[in-house]
Amino acid sequence: NAGVTQTPKFRILKIGQSMTLQCTQDMNHNYMYWYRQDPGMGLKLIYYSVGAGITDKGEVPNGYNVSRSTTEDFPLRLELAAPSQTSVYFCASSYAGRGYEQYFGPGTRLTVT
Amino acid sequence: AQTVTQSQPEMSVQEAETVTLSCTYDTSESDYYLFWYKQPPSRQMILVIRQEAYKQQNATENRFSVNFQKAAKSFSLKISDSQLGDAAMYFCAYPSGTYKYIFGTGTRLKVLA
Repeated sequence: NAGVTQTPKFRILKIGQSMTLQCTQDMNHNYMYWYRQDPGMGLKLIYYSVGAGITDKGEVPNGYNVSRSTTEDFPLRLELAAPSQTSVYFCASSYAGRGYEQYFGPGTRLTVT
Repeated sequence: AQTVTQSQPEMSVQEAETVTLSCTYDTSESDYYLFWYKQPPSRQMILVIRQEAYKQQNATENRFSVNFQKAAKSFSLKISDSQLGDAAMYFCAYPSGTYKYIFGTGTRLKVLA
């Protein structure tokens, strides 16, 4: 059981470039989440999904897009990268919503220069 | 709006001693959950303990326990017999609504040998 896996672990982007952060879970969880963690801050929710084909915006969705074509995968797309998107990105999944433990991936450290 | 506040950016504890990390929150709900997550240097977030607000009994997981004061909206984490492996960032989290978790800014715990 790998849990939640994320690729890549590190990435440096130039301003204006695009990329996709990959996230896969093997726990058959319906709920998946994308967070960003800025230095000295807690996690902020970017997007979430409650099942294949269903996604919705979180607290800080601007500059990002997601899709959920399968239960296992929840990629996060950055379009036209900006320095403000420099952060550590975490993917998480849970069996259900409120009250259930969220299982986190190891994170992707992204730098936009 | 719901908020989560961790007022201690950093704490230190001697190995084998006890330390308490503070968390306060603001909500108008009566039934909810609260979580403590640990983020070691590896970055991966790990659930430490979960408290259900309708349960008066404080949650306990081995050396970790909480002091949940519902009226005061306080949810502190006590770590007994501290070990070097306890050194990490600790985040208090409150699920607001069904999908959105609000995280505090974290407390960095240093364990001194």
